[in-house]
Amino acid sequence: GQSLEQPSEVTAVEGAIVQINCTYQTSGFYGLSWYQQHDGGAPTFLSYNALDGLEETGRFSSFLSRSDSYGYLLLQELQMKDSASYFCAVRSGGANNLFFGTGTRLTVIP
Amino acid sequence: DTAVSQTPKYLVTQMGNDKSIKCEQNLGHDTMYWYKQDSKKFLKIMFSYNNKELIINETVPNRFSPKSPDKAHLNLHINSLELGDSAVYFCASSQGGHYGYTFGSGTRLTVV
Repeated sequence: GQSLEQPSEVTAVEGAIVQINCTYQTSGFYGLSWYQQHDGGAPTFLSYNALDGLEETGRFSSFLSRSDSYGYLLLQELQMKDSASYFCAVRSGGANNLFFGTGTRLTVIP
Repeated sequence: DTAVSQTPKYLVTQMGNDKSIKCEQNLGHDTMYWYKQDSKKFLKIMFSYNNKELIINETVPNRFSPKSPDKAHLNLHINSLELGDSAVYFCASSQGGHYGYTFGSGTRLTVV
């Protein structure tokens, strides 16, 4: 099976930097993804790491260490609109199936 | 144009009823999925389907059945609805590989 752990809640100040960690256990690992979901909305794709290292996309970066079964999402220059839930997810098994973590609710405060 | 569309957005129904949720994608993706998001926001895969293979999460009750008339559609049919089926159901599609999933806007199902 698959198991992914994230902190349940994180609070950060507008303009600051925040890191959301994810540890996983899975068989047949193919990559770690991150999704953002605003309240009442759909999850939206942020990033994907198949190999170790840092991937940067604008204010968001994602890191993966396969040897540690660990990754994180780094959000810089936080804005109020970044308040949302963030999910890590692993690809595993057939048909490119994604298995999601428990989600981290990020609250950005002024 | 909406990439992945689901209908209805809200569905309120009584226990024991049978209901369907429709999903369509216009992205040309090969694989479609159904996810259930519970009140704690946990996203759980229910089914994945392409034109060759249906993969069912073994924990999904057989009251749930996906139906795909063609590559662009994957509908979800639920028999004998139970209170515990209340959740938000998301349809998604993917081209595979490093490409992410595109989710529909979700269907909030409430069983009373």
